[in-house]
Amino acid sequence: AQKVTQAQTEISVVEKEDVTLDCVYETRDTTYYLFWYKQPPSGELVFLIRRNSFDEQNEISGRYSWNFQKSTSSFNFTITASQVVDSAVYFCALSEALTTGTASKLTFGTGTRLQVTL
Amino acid sequence: GAGVSQTPSNKVTEKGKYVELRCDPISGHTALYWYRQSLGQGPEFLIYFQGTGAADDSGLPNDRFFAVRPEGSVSTLKIQRTERGDSAVYLCASSTRDRGNEQFFGPGTRLTVL
Repeated sequence: AQKVTQAQTEISVVEKEDVTLDCVYETRDTTYYLFWYKQPPSGELVFLIRRNSFDEQNEISGRYSWNFQKSTSSFNFTITASQVVDSAVYFCALSEALTTGTASKLTFGTGTRLQVTL
Repeated sequence: GAGVSQTPSNKVTEKGKYVELRCDPISGHTALYWYRQSLGQGPEFLIYFQGTGAADDSGLPNDRFFAVRPEGSVSTLKIQRTERGDSAVYLCASSTRDRGNEQFFGPGTRLTVL
């Protein structure tokens, strides 16, 4: 069975601070995908990143960066110089890796609510 | 282009009633998923379709829940004899085979059972 744990329920930071959201996962699959989604107050889930279990390179996209460590089953997400617009609930998710043409359910963590204040 | 759409956005019903929730996926997306999100929780998988058939319905909580996708596009989630515990936001997502299971979510339907 797959499981995703986001131990941080809520985090509050002041604008311009850096913040890291933790994600730990469990799976018996040898290949899998990891995801981060953002859910702003409007409610719609927004895709941020997908990482294949074969690729352990860290990724940076603007102020966002992701640290994937297979040895510790973690896929942490860092926001640099946080802004008020980053305030949202962030979900980490896991799915089995797919053969071409198939699909698979996502297993989500319980989310981390990030509050960025001025 | 148009994203995933869901109707209605809000549905209030009484315990014991029947409800239908509709999802219109992104055009051309072959896979369609239903999730349920309770307050303060992450989305929980219910069912997914590959084309017209339900490829995995292991997340449906009981036989009061049923979903169809008769033409491989629009899907309807049907809940019979609703209970107060069914109150949640029901999310629909779709994906295409060449995007590595990247799922695009709709805005959800908030179901309230009184």
